[in-house]
Amino acid sequence: GENVEQHPSTLSVQEGDSAVIKCTYSDSASNYFPWYKQELGKRPQLIIDIRSNVGEKKDQRIAVTLNKTAKHFSLHITETQPEDSAVYFCAALNNNDMRFGAGTRLTVKP
Amino acid sequence: DTEVTQTPKHLVMGMTNKKSLKCEQHMGHRAMYWYKQKAKKPPELMFVYSYEKLSINESVPSRFSPECPNSSLLNLHLHALQPEDSALYLCASSQDRAPYGYTFGSGTRLTVV
Repeated sequence: GENVEQHPSTLSVQEGDSAVIKCTYSDSASNYFPWYKQELGKRPQLIIDIRSNVGEKKDQRIAVTLNKTAKHFSLHITETQPEDSAVYFCAALNNNDMRFGAGTRLTVKP
Repeated sequence: DTEVTQTPKHLVMGMTNKKSLKCEQHMGHRAMYWYKQKAKKPPELMFVYSYEKLSINESVPSRFSPECPNSSLLNLHLHALQPEDSALYLCASSQDRAPYGYTFGSGTRLTVV
């Protein structure tokens, strides 16, 4: 089955700096790669996603890149703000089987 | 309606109790999922239903019994749980075999005493 690895497990940045989180996946049949933000006690919220036929997608301060050959994808957050502090999960989907990375706890210091 | 609704939001149950978690969506999604999430861990897939049929069971113990009575409803029946089963249980739905509209419910926080 699919195995998703995520790094780093914790990330601390200064407000205004950029943050990058990286994930790798094992199943070349996976074709959809979402990123979720989860605040304490709440459900995971989709923040951006990318499909396997696209290399890059951007939404305001958030961007995701996908390298299918290397089987890795990354989340980029620019101009970070304290409210970006949360746990971020990457995931990979093949048919109806969604697998998550272990998560990255992002802290943005004011 | 673009929501996945889960009830109850919180549940405390004893190890000899029988309880059920409910999940409902009216987005026309034909795939529905149960996940278990422990503190500081990612969601772990438990079950997947596709067109009301169980398609994935991730070797979940039989004390968890899923049921999909129709295309809008998904239940998780709980019996003889252990304290280590305490977790956030998340339901999700999507179009079948496609990620479109993959949506999580707000979860049921279960405590087994």
